[in-house]
Amino acid sequence: DVKVTQSSRYLVKRTGEKVFLECVQDMDHENMFWYRQDPGLGLRLIYFSYDVKMKEKGDIPEGYSVSREKKERFSLILESASTNQTSMYLCASSLETSSSYNEQFFGPGTRLTVL
Amino acid sequence: ILNVEQSPQSLHVQEGDSTNFTCSFPSSNFYALHWYRWETAKSPEALFVMTLNGDEKKKGRISATLNTKEGYSYLYIKGSQPEDSATYLCACMNYGGSQGNLIFGKGTKLSVKP
Repeated sequence: DVKVTQSSRYLVKRTGEKVFLECVQDMDHENMFWYRQDPGLGLRLIYFSYDVKMKEKGDIPEGYSVSREKKERFSLILESASTNQTSMYLCASSLETSSSYNEQFFGPGTRLTVL
Repeated sequence: ILNVEQSPQSLHVQEGDSTNFTCSFPSSNFYALHWYRWETAKSPEALFVMTLNGDEKKKGRISATLNTKEGYSYLYIKGSQPEDSATYLCACMNYGGSQGNLIFGKGTKLSVKP
């Protein structure tokens, strides 16, 4: 059974803290993605990675960085959390992007609150 | 950036009703369209991935059509059941976009009353 897991379902942090959100997939997928979802907006892509140590900016990368040291793990880092980063964060993975036919598999999400 | 529009924003139907909703996207440089279902407290799950104009896909009581020339896709649910209650997301990719970069609509939230 395909599985994408995220380290926390709920997280509360303070402004200025460094925050790590971890995502692990067990499907040997090449591609991994980080999205955020806010009320009234669609899922927005923050960063994605198509291979170990490779990363590309999505539509809203400002204030975030990522790390992919192993194929199965993709971390999202908030260098200095701010209140406008309060959101639901979703991780996803898919087979290699040479074909966009490949569906994305999503984790359960992390609801982050920055106070 | 692609603009993907979904309508309606929300929908309330009775059990047994059939329903449909729309996803609109720019028709130029179209590459693929994805539909996902996102139930509350669960992860979004893929329903369909469609690429060809005129494509029609079906999974149980749910089906989808694709018109790439005019830039829309319909999702149909026949005989809605309470377990169909979810937010339905469509996402589009076009040529020239970053690889892997799906642009999502805001979703249609479906509530099915028993």
